[in-house]
Amino acid sequence: NAGVTQTPKFRILKIGQSMTLQCTQDMNHNYMYWYRQDPGMGLKLIYYSVGAGITDKGEVPNGYNVSRSTTEDFPLRLELAAPSQTSVYFCASSYSKGEGGYTFGSGTRLTVV
Amino acid sequence: LAKTTQPISMDSYEGQEVNITCSHNNIATNDYITWYQQFPSQGPRFIIQGYKTKVTNEVASLFIPADRKSSTLSLPRVSLSDTAVYYCLVGAWMDSSYKLIFGSGTRLLVRP
Repeated sequence: NAGVTQTPKFRILKIGQSMTLQCTQDMNHNYMYWYRQDPGMGLKLIYYSVGAGITDKGEVPNGYNVSRSTTEDFPLRLELAAPSQTSVYFCASSYSKGEGGYTFGSGTRLTVV
Repeated sequence: LAKTTQPISMDSYEGQEVNITCSHNNIATNDYITWYQQFPSQGPRFIIQGYKTKVTNEVASLFIPADRKSSTLSLPRVSLSDTAVYYCLVGAWMDSSYKLIFGSGTRLLVRP
């Protein structure tokens, strides 16, 4: 029972590069989320999805894109990396919106230089 | 506009009971109140969830008054390993859609 798996765990990007953060869950959860957490701060919602083919913006969506082609996968795309995107990114999933709580992945630590 | 308000930090000693209160004045009728624990370099971990009155599990209790405008997480007899950041989570309307937003968290330090 893997839960929520994020890859990679660490990544250094140069300004202007692009990359995709991968997130996969094996719990058949409909809801999936991407959060970022800056040092010493709380979590900010970037994007979320309520099911395959449906995504919506969170608090801080600028500079990111997502897709949800399957129930299991919810990749987060950074097109033109900027230093302000240096953060730890967490993916989470839940059976329903809020009820039962979220299961979080272990995070991806991204540094943009 | 902050959806939830929590104390920034709290100190306690081993063996004491710790109560962390979260204010959520604009909570929606269908919102659950959920608390998470986060250790450094880890993702948040679900602790407890409630809708109204009191909920208890093996690690914590959650007290919710009748008006549901606040909630209190109670950790009995804390140990050093309970040092962590604790987040309260409820929903919020943003950009014409309903989202679940984390609060700023309470940093709990448990001393020997």
